[in-house]
Amino acid sequence: AQSVTQPDIHITVSEGASLELRCNYSYGATPYLFWYVQSPGQGLQLLLKYFSGDTLVQGIKGFEAEFKRSQSSFNLRKPSVHWSDAAEYFCAVVGGSYIPTFGRGTSLIVHP
Amino acid sequence: DSGVTQTPKHLITATGQRVTLRCSPRSGDLSVYWYQQSLDQGLQFLIQYYNGEERAKGNILERFSAQQFPDLHSELNLSSLELGDSALYFCASSVAGGVIDEQFFGPGTRLTVL
Repeated sequence: AQSVTQPDIHITVSEGASLELRCNYSYGATPYLFWYVQSPGQGLQLLLKYFSGDTLVQGIKGFEAEFKRSQSSFNLRKPSVHWSDAAEYFCAVVGGSYIPTFGRGTSLIVHP
Repeated sequence: DSGVTQTPKHLITATGQRVTLRCSPRSGDLSVYWYQQSLDQGLQFLIQYYNGEERAKGNILERFSAQQFPDLHSELNLSSLELGDSALYFCASSVAGGVIDEQFFGPGTRLTVL
């Protein structure tokens, strides 16, 4: 069975600082990997996804993520955080069953 | 605005009751997905329909059922409600039927079971 771990429940950064949100997955092969963002009172929005090929994936809003097979990780990064990035971030994995499994989420707090 | 609409926004009901949540997908999207988000379980995939047919099934309880109608809107029926069913229920839609396709999420229906 597939699983996803987001080790950090909360992350606090200052506006303008760099950001890295961690995601580790468990699956027997290379899964499909996703990062979503959820703003307060909103549904989820897809930031980026990885299926195959280049392990560094570019997404919307200046986010990128890197797939590292050896570490079973798919960490999300942004070089300079804006106050509007404050939200909940979810990593998700889809394996052979085509059923998505989500991590518990990381809440990003941005200090001015 | 994702283009996916869900009604109602909020629903308060009692244990043992039955409710119906409604979802209208984006224009042109053939797939509809239902998710449950709760503090206990996190975000869980419930079920997917593609062009009226069930495509994938996740952790959906037997007390829950869903369907997609010919006009492509979908309804999620929750019956014999329990306190633990209190959650935010999201609907998402995508153009095609694969779960790996980009999904567009609605704003959700918050269900409170008292």
